[in-house]
Amino acid sequence: GAVVSQHPSWVICKSGTSVKIECRSLDFQATTMFWYRQFPKQSLMLMATSNEGSKATYEQGVEKDKFLINHASLTLSTLTVTSAHPEDSSFYICSAIPTSGVQETQYFGPGTRLLVL
Amino acid sequence: GDSVTQMEGPVTLSEEAFLTINCTYTATGYPSLFWYVQYPGEGLQLLLKATKADDKGSNKGFEATYRKETTSFHLEKGSVQVSDSAVYFCALSDYGGNQFYFGTGTSLTVIP
Repeated sequence: GAVVSQHPSWVICKSGTSVKIECRSLDFQATTMFWYRQFPKQSLMLMATSNEGSKATYEQGVEKDKFLINHASLTLSTLTVTSAHPEDSSFYICSAIPTSGVQETQYFGPGTRLLVL
Repeated sequence: GDSVTQMEGPVTLSEEAFLTINCTYTATGYPSLFWYVQYPGEGLQLLLKATKADDKGSNKGFEATYRKETTSFHLEKGSVQVSDSAVYFCALSDYGGNQFYFGTGTSLTVIP
C-alpha cells in the first residue's frame, strides 16, 4: 500500500516550453502533497506544499508563477514548470501524506528527471 | 528552528561490515523521526521510523533508536550488503506532520 506514482519519469524539452508533471497517490487519498527538487548529490529542497482544493504554499525563493501547482483531487497534484530554462533541469520528486491513518509519514514518488535543452 | 544534521559521506564499506550513520536533530516540539533510502535513479523510500522517545525503528536489518537525551537517531546495520548501496536521509516531522526537515543525505557504497 501507500504507492505514489509520477508521470513522466523522464522528460526532455526545449528551452521556453512548459512541462507538466503529475503526482498520483494510487491506493490512498492525500489532502497534502509536497513537491521537492533535488540537485545531483544533494538533499531534497522543498519547493511547495500542495493542499487539495486550495492554493499551494511555496517556500521562500520559489517562484509561484514559474512552478504552477494544482491539487484538483485527493489523488492528483500537478507541477507545471512554465517557460522552462536549462537551470530548471533537475530531479523533481513529489510526496503524499495519507488523509487517514498516520499523518506524519510521507510517501514518495519515484521522481521525474527534467532536462531542458 | 527545527533541523536535522547527519554525518557527511560518502561512506564506503566492505560487504558484511558494520554500518553506523549518525543523525542528530533539533526540534521545538515532539517530533517523529525517519530514515529514508534513495537507490540510484529512484525516489525516496521509507526505511524506518520512530514516533516517540526510546522507540526503535527497524526494517531490512537496519535499526535506529529515538534518543531524546542525546537528540539522536543513528542508523545501524550489523552486516551490510552490496544491495544496500544508496543514499540515506534522516528526517523529522514536527507539529503533527505539518513540517518536515531532511538531512543532507549520506551516500553509502558497499563493495564486495
